[in-house]
Amino acid sequence: TQLLEQSPQFLSIQEGENLTVYCNSSSVFSSLQWYRQEPGEGPVLLVTVVTGGEVKKLKRLTFQFGDARKDSSLHITAAQPGDTGLYLCAGANGGATNKLIFGTGTLLAVQP
Amino acid sequence: SQTIHQWPATLVQPVGSPLSLECTVEGTSNPNLYWYRQAAGRGLQLLFYSVGIGQISSEVPQNLSASRPQDRQFILSSKKLLLSDSGFYLCAWSLGGGQPQHFGDGTRLSIL
Repeated sequence: TQLLEQSPQFLSIQEGENLTVYCNSSSVFSSLQWYRQEPGEGPVLLVTVVTGGEVKKLKRLTFQFGDARKDSSLHITAAQPGDTGLYLCAGANGGATNKLIFGTGTLLAVQP
Repeated sequence: SQTIHQWPATLVQPVGSPLSLECTVEGTSNPNLYWYRQAAGRGLQLLFYSVGIGQISSEVPQNLSASRPQDRQFILSSKKLLLSDSGFYLCAWSLGGGQPQHFGDGTRLSIL
């Protein structure tokens, strides 16, 4: 069974601080996606990483896919209250079904 | 552009009553469709997925069933709800081959 473990599970920080969220697995994925979810809403896609070692930047967010395509990280610089939410990584094995294996989630609270 | 709709947004049902949650997608043809359940602040558990009309695959044994009567309609049902069926249910769509999934806003189901 493929599993994706995220750490930390909870994170409460002050506005302006930096943070990193980790997403780890013993399985190889063809791609990995990061989503952010706000209470009472569905997850919203932030980024997809496909190539081992790939780094993508989305404003203050930096995403990295591990060289072996088993792990990923999300780094937020100068966090803002608007970054508050549940961050989910999800590994894909491609193919016609395109099923995702979701990580355990990281709940981030950024205090003003 | 593509949109996905889920309803109702919230539902309170007594134990033993039937259930029908509906999800429809607009702006695309022959999408893959998915039903997930999410515990509070945690990752998503895939319940069912469908790659075409009438084609349903179940990921976990449970008290629920799914149907796809039309190309862009996905229904989650139960004949008799259990207390353990409470949760946040999310519908998603994607195209195949590693494309990201796109989520509806979910249904909060409470069983009394």
